[in-house]
Amino acid sequence: QLQLQESGPGLVKPSETLSLTCTVSGDSISSSNYFWGWIRQSPGKGLEWIGSIYYGGSTYYNPSLKSRVTISVDTSKNQFSLKLSSVTAADTAVYYCARLILGYCLNGVCYWRYFDLWGRGTLVTVSS
Amino acid sequence: QSALTQPPSASGSPGQSVTISCTGTSSDVGGYNYVSWLQQHPGKAPKVVIYEVTKRPSGVPDRFSGSKSGNTASLTVSGLQAEDEADYYCSSYAGSNNLVFGRGTRLTVL
Repeated sequence: QLQLQESGPGLVKPSETLSLTCTVSGDSISSSNYFWGWIRQSPGKGLEWIGSIYYGGSTYYNPSLKSRVTISVDTSKNQFSLKLSSVTAADTAVYYCARLILGYCLNGVCYWRYFDLWGRGTLVTVSS
Repeated sequence: QSALTQPPSASGSPGQSVTISCTGTSSDVGGYNYVSWLQQHPGKAPKVVIYEVTKRPSGVPDRFSGSKSGNTASLTVSGLQAEDEADYYCSSYAGSNNLVFGRGTRLTVL
């Protein structure tokens, strides 16, 4: 059974870079049917899509975070990672990784169906 | 892109039905049939209960149903049970390789 597990520091200082890794077990990350995504949830707030990556390396980011976000994939380790730079207290949140079902891609635009499986999430606090 | 609009709260008594709305624009909810609904219990990861507007994953009770009209999608929970008390989020493909979530609705079973 597919499982996703987030890992990384739970405390990051302001202005530094937040780094998280999602390890996928039970199936290969190198499937043509899926993207892999990061979503966050600030305390008492709703969900926010951060970005998504394909096993081949194609990445797409939320425009509001794009300037600070990098998502990468390591197929040899069945992992994908998130880096968020220049963090502030507003970036304090539970960060989730999830599998995103791909509909199809056409002319550089990919149509995603839904997030079907999620990790348990990891709380990252930005504080000095 | 802006978050999809959901009512902050909804409630119903056991056995009743409740409907939660999710309003977007023609660029997201109205433009694609890629609307999904997520259920989140406190301290837990979200779980999909409806995808592609009306489809139900295996294992999700048929008390959960979805629909869409124009730029508004809806989740209906029939025959409310205590275990249905949770936060519910809608999500939609928003074009040009974007995704957007709703702000969430807290469903209380009275």
